[in-house]
Amino acid sequence: AQTVTQSQPEMSVQEAETVTLSCTYDTSENNYYLFWYKQPPSRQMILVIRQEAYKQQNATENRFSVNFQKAAKSFSLKISDSQLGDTAMYFCAFMTIQGAQKLVFGQGTRLTINP
Amino acid sequence: DAMVIQNPRYQVTQFGKPVTLSCSQTLNHNVMYWYQQKSSQAPKLLFHYYDKDFNNEADTPDNFQSRRPNTSFCFLDIRSPGLGDAAMYLCATSRVYPANEQFFGPGTRLTVL
Repeated sequence: AQTVTQSQPEMSVQEAETVTLSCTYDTSENNYYLFWYKQPPSRQMILVIRQEAYKQQNATENRFSVNFQKAAKSFSLKISDSQLGDTAMYFCAFMTIQGAQKLVFGQGTRLTINP
Repeated sequence: DAMVIQNPRYQVTQFGKPVTLSCSQTLNHNVMYWYQQKSSQAPKLLFHYYDKDFNNEADTPDNFQSRRPNTSFCFLDIRSPGLGDAAMYLCATSRVYPANEQFFGPGTRLTVL
């Protein structure tokens, strides 16, 4: 079974700083998807960024980028020029390509951006 | 805008009194999921539908049931809510092919008195 581990329960940075959230996972599969989801205090979960395991290039979405290290099974999220609106719970998640498309979530990292 | 809608946003029920939570989607996605999320925890998958095929997670209590009368709607029924069932319940949808992200609704916060 797949597992996802986020080792940082809480993080706090100043506005405009860069912050990196860590995520490691365990799987025996070769092809899969990895996601970072954001859940702000209003609670609606939204997708931040997605990475397909077969792609070597790291995904980027504006201020958000990932460092995907397949051999190390690591998938960290970097937020550049952090903004107050980035304050949220961030969940790393894994999904297999084959079979049932179920997300396996990490425990989450609560990120606070301070003014 | 296409979206996932959950009603009600807040639900208060009494211990043992059945309750139904509703989810609808305008995305026309094949798959609909129900998650339970307790405070400061990751969402826990209860079950999902692939079209009309129901898939229950092994550790989902029998107290939780679901119905999907059509593509757009899915319901979560809690037959006899206990205090431990107080949580946020999230509905999500996704396409099957290509495998893709899940789109989440805003959730229903259930309080059990």
